[in-house]
Amino acid sequence: NAGVTQTPKFQVLKTGQSMTLQCAQDMNHNSMYWYRQDPGMGLRLIYYSASEGTTDKGEVPNGYNVSRLNKREFSLRLESAAPSQTSVYFCASRDRGSRNTIYFGEGSWLTVV
Amino acid sequence: GIQVEQSPPDLILQEGANSTLRCNFSDSVNNLQWFHQNPWGQLINLFYIPSGTKQNGRLSATTVATERYSLLYISSSQTTDSGVYFCAVTEKLVFGKGTKLTVNP
Repeated sequence: NAGVTQTPKFQVLKTGQSMTLQCAQDMNHNSMYWYRQDPGMGLRLIYYSASEGTTDKGEVPNGYNVSRLNKREFSLRLESAAPSQTSVYFCASRDRGSRNTIYFGEGSWLTVV
Repeated sequence: GIQVEQSPPDLILQEGANSTLRCNFSDSVNNLQWFHQNPWGQLINLFYIPSGTKQNGRLSATTVATERYSLLYISSSQTTDSGVYFCAVTEKLVFGKGTKLTVNP
C-alpha cells in the first residue's frame, strides 16, 4: 500500500516552460487535492476534485490546470511556468469514511528560474 | 470565503511541558482537521474533529462548533512533537497558517 505518490520530487524549470506534476493514490478515495506551500503562508488550495471527472478551483488556481481522468490519478499542469510558482506542491486524498482521514504525498519541490 | 486563524504563531517549550494550540474559524463548518508537519515536511493527519473531543495518546482535540473554535492539547511534550501544527476546515480543507512548535530537550 503506497498511499499517495507524487512525481517528480524535485524539478527546476526555466520561465515559460511547461510541466506536469503527477499524483496517484491506491486507496480508492474519491476526493483529491493539490496545494502549494510557501514560507509563512501555510497550505493554499490550488484545485480540488470531489470525484473522478470533476474539478473545482481553490484559492490560487491561476496559472495551473488539472486533470482527473480516473479515480487514482490527479495531475497538475503548469502551462507556462513563472518564478512566482516556485513552491512546494502537495497532493492529498481523502477517505470519506467514518475516520475521514487525509493522506498527503511527500511533496514536490519546484523551482522556476 | 471562510477565514481560519491559528494562535500562537510560534511556541517554544521545554520537554515535558504541556501546550494548547487554538484554531478560530469565521463560519460554521462540518469538517475540521488537525495536522502535524514534521521538520522534514511530512504532513500527518492527527484528528478529524468537527465537534466534541477526541484523544490519541498525549494529544487531544476539542471543537466547539457553536463558538467556532478548536483546541489541540499536547501533554508531556517531546522533541519529536516539534514542527508545525495546522488546522483545516470545510470540504475543500482551507488551512490556517499554522503554529510552529519547538520542543527543546
